[in-house]
Amino acid sequence: GAVVSQHPSRVICKSGTSVKIECRSLDFQATTMFWYRQFPKQSLMLMATSNEGSKATYEQGVEKDKFLINHASLTLSTLTVTSAHPEDSSFYICSARPERDKQETQYFGPGTRLLVL
Amino acid sequence: RKEVEQDPGPFNVPEGATVAFNCTYSNSASQSFFWYRQDCRKEPKLLMSVYSSGNEDGRFTAQLNRASQYISLLIRDSKLSDSATYLCVVGTSGNTPLVFGKGTRLSVIA
Repeated sequence: GAVVSQHPSRVICKSGTSVKIECRSLDFQATTMFWYRQFPKQSLMLMATSNEGSKATYEQGVEKDKFLINHASLTLSTLTVTSAHPEDSSFYICSARPERDKQETQYFGPGTRLLVL
Repeated sequence: RKEVEQDPGPFNVPEGATVAFNCTYSNSASQSFFWYRQDCRKEPKLLMSVYSSGNEDGRFTAQLNRASQYISLLIRDSKLSDSATYLCVVGTSGNTPLVFGKGTRLSVIA
């Protein structure tokens, strides 16, 4: 299978600070990565699609200036939550789709649990 | 109409039982189909892909009915470790993201 890592796994920060989350595909190249958010006992919500070398595509209602996405290489995408507030506390999960995979399977990172105080 | 619909459950079944989950999707252009499993406070993990001919992986059997736009997952001889939320997932083509159902929660009880 394909392995995706995320760092950090857990973050606690003060309101107003920015938090950067990294998503890496370890054993494959991924032109496309996805960022999701999941609140407790709720379903996954797609935030944005990250494309290597181009701007991310954001879902409706997701502020692109607040959630900055950079996909600088075929194995790394970063999500920066700028000026985080308590309502941004959530479980952030990335996924990546191997270039070689014709069936469009997505593999998920282990997630980053963000708590904003 | 939601793109991917699942019964949220919960399904509470005894160990050893057979349980079936169903899912319907609205986009007739969908081309790829999956079941993912998500444990509490963990990321989703791919359980199996679903093919038109149906496929089996040990105690798990997945089936697809394109005409009815319907996907199923059957779990035989349930184990306690099968307790999780099962996500029905559908994809179209290109770089469009997969569409996830809200999941069906399964609890296997001793």
